[in-house]
Amino acid sequence: NAGVTQTPKFQVLKTGQSMTLQCAQDMNHNSMYWYRQDPGMGLRLIYYSASEGTTDKGEVPNGYNVSRLNKREFSLRLESAAPSQTSVYFCASSEGVKVRSYEQYFGPGTRLTVT
Amino acid sequence: QKEVEQNSGPLSVPEGAIASLNCTYSDRGSQSFFWYRQYSGKSPELIMFIYSNGDKEDGRFTAQLNKASQYVSLLIRDSQPSDSATYLCAVRSFGNEKLTFGTGTRLTIIP
Repeated sequence: NAGVTQTPKFQVLKTGQSMTLQCAQDMNHNSMYWYRQDPGMGLRLIYYSASEGTTDKGEVPNGYNVSRLNKREFSLRLESAAPSQTSVYFCASSEGVKVRSYEQYFGPGTRLTVT
Repeated sequence: QKEVEQNSGPLSVPEGAIASLNCTYSDRGSQSFFWYRQYSGKSPELIMFIYSNGDKEDGRFTAQLNKASQYVSLLIRDSQPSDSATYLCAVRSFGNEKLTFGTGTRLTIIP
């Protein structure tokens, strides 16, 4: 099993450009998440999907959109990139709230720079 | 006030000693508590979770939870250089899909 995979690993964008970050998991998990991680800020939740067909905003959703394409895939789109969106983006998945241990498994991350 | 607070460190501990990492949280409805380890340039990985007051041991790691004081800690016994990483505390409230993370404590084990 590959676990959680993300593409691309690195990306440089110019201000105003758009891009989609892809995430897929092969663990048959119900829930998927997108986080960004900035120095001194910890992991902050952008959007999450509790199940196929549902998405909800997290702590920092502005400037992002998401799509839960199917149970395996959850994409994050930047419509008009801004320098403030320079960050490391992590996708994660978990079985969901019914499991008390609630482990979230993280992908390897995408390092995005917006110039 | 941040929902989950950790001392950012760096925390330096001699090899073989006990490393003690602390985390406080503000939401009294918090139910589950997690410690993730993150090596530089890598993704977080879960090392411990706890949801009952008291101690939970797993090998060299012990998680301690005190809900009355809204405090959770992680002890690492016989610290090894491979334990050098950033440790993230995360908290979940009952029925909530979301985890709230602290900013992490950077731990350095000195050989």
